[in-house]
Amino acid sequence: DQQVKQNSPSLSVQEGRISILNCDYTNSMFDYFLWYKKYPAEGPTFLISISSIKDKNEDGRFTVFLNKSAKHLSLHIVPSQPGDSAVYFCAASETPGTYKYIFGTGTRLKVLA
Amino acid sequence: DTEVTQTPKHLVMGMTNKKSLKCEQHMGHRAMYWYKQKAKKPPELMFVYSYEKLSINESVPSRFSPECPNSSLLNLHLHALQPEDSALYLCASSQEVRVQPQHFGDGTRLSIL
Repeated sequence: DQQVKQNSPSLSVQEGRISILNCDYTNSMFDYFLWYKKYPAEGPTFLISISSIKDKNEDGRFTVFLNKSAKHLSLHIVPSQPGDSAVYFCAASETPGTYKYIFGTGTRLKVLA
Repeated sequence: DTEVTQTPKHLVMGMTNKKSLKCEQHMGHRAMYWYKQKAKKPPELMFVYSYEKLSINESVPSRFSPECPNSSLLNLHLHALQPEDSALYLCASSQEVRVQPQHFGDGTRLSIL
């Protein structure tokens, strides 16, 4: 049973436009969410996180939105750059015991120059 | 550059071999983790160490034996592995178990012949 779902396995976006990556979860106990980016042959790199007391968190070009009632979060990248091309994983955890991340299956983003 | 270093990057071993994966971090983190990632799947947690003590074993077979010799090092000893154990093994660390996020190494790609 996949508790964290990324229903779009891939996404292509033109350079300079907005990339929107989506993630849905089923466990209402999740209250801490993260996005990681992964390049081939490298480990996941932490991008941004959000706790359930917020509905938005921003860091530079990256913004994460959380809709708890819909059990949905999204990552917005504006403007998209070719270097953003990677696989993006969302992850969720419960607090306390935040150590256990449940990862989604990833979305491959390709930013076209 | 990742601050969590894993060696070797690639490892090929037979089912009767004994080998070890190594992970090192110098960020002063006191929580360290082992994950397993199969192709086109998300990372799955295997073990959690907190202050050099094993705190979580996610029902991992005994042919995988973790060890934390000191606060900077984490090993994963392998013995009598099966072909289905071929995967990318990721190490991660965080400031403490309850202080996130986790920072990942680039992984060891393990192939069992």
